[in-house]
Amino acid sequence: AQSVTQPDIHITVSEGASLELRCNYSYGATPYLFWYVQSPGQGLQLLLKYFSGDTLVQGIKGFEAEFKRSQSSFNLRKPSVHWSDAAEYFCAVGDEGGGADGLTFGKGTHLIIQP
Amino acid sequence: DAGVIQSPRHEVTEMGQEVTLRCKPISGHDYLFWYRQTMMRGLELLIYFNNNVPIDDSGMPEDRFSAKMPNASFSTLKIQPSEPRDSAVYFCASSLGQAHFFGPGTRLTVL
Repeated sequence: AQSVTQPDIHITVSEGASLELRCNYSYGATPYLFWYVQSPGQGLQLLLKYFSGDTLVQGIKGFEAEFKRSQSSFNLRKPSVHWSDAAEYFCAVGDEGGGADGLTFGKGTHLIIQP
Repeated sequence: DAGVIQSPRHEVTEMGQEVTLRCKPISGHDYLFWYRQTMMRGLELLIYFNNNVPIDDSGMPEDRFSAKMPNASFSTLKIQPSEPRDSAVYFCASSLGQAHFFGPGTRLTVL
């Protein structure tokens, strides 16, 4: 069974600084990988996804993520964070169907932005 | 498109009562998922449907939980009887088989 680990429960970053959120997955075949963001009281919004091809994927709101098969990682990055980026971030993995059988989520990373 | 619609947004009920959560998926999506989010367990898949047919309900915690999808535009998740440990945020999501699109969730509190 697949699993996702987000090692950082909380991360604090100053506004304007760069950001990297870590995600490690466990899956036997080629994974389908996703990053979602959840603002307080809201549902999850898709930031970006990786299915195949270029291992560096671009998403919305200036986010990008890099798939590294050798490290079983799919870290999320942003060069300069804004106060509005404060939220909960979830990494998720889908099976060969790309998510048709549901997604397995990590426990999330809570991002705090310092002024 | 209005996105995935869930109702109610908040539900407070007493232990033993029946609770029904509702979901309208994005038009044209053929997959529908119910997830539960708690602090302790994070996001868990409860059940999912493909073309209105339940495919996998292995995540449903107990027989007190049931879900239906009578047509392509409506699904319900029912808890009967409810217990305090069912308190959580319940999300509905729909997809075309890959990325999920989530509704705003229903925050359930069972007293």
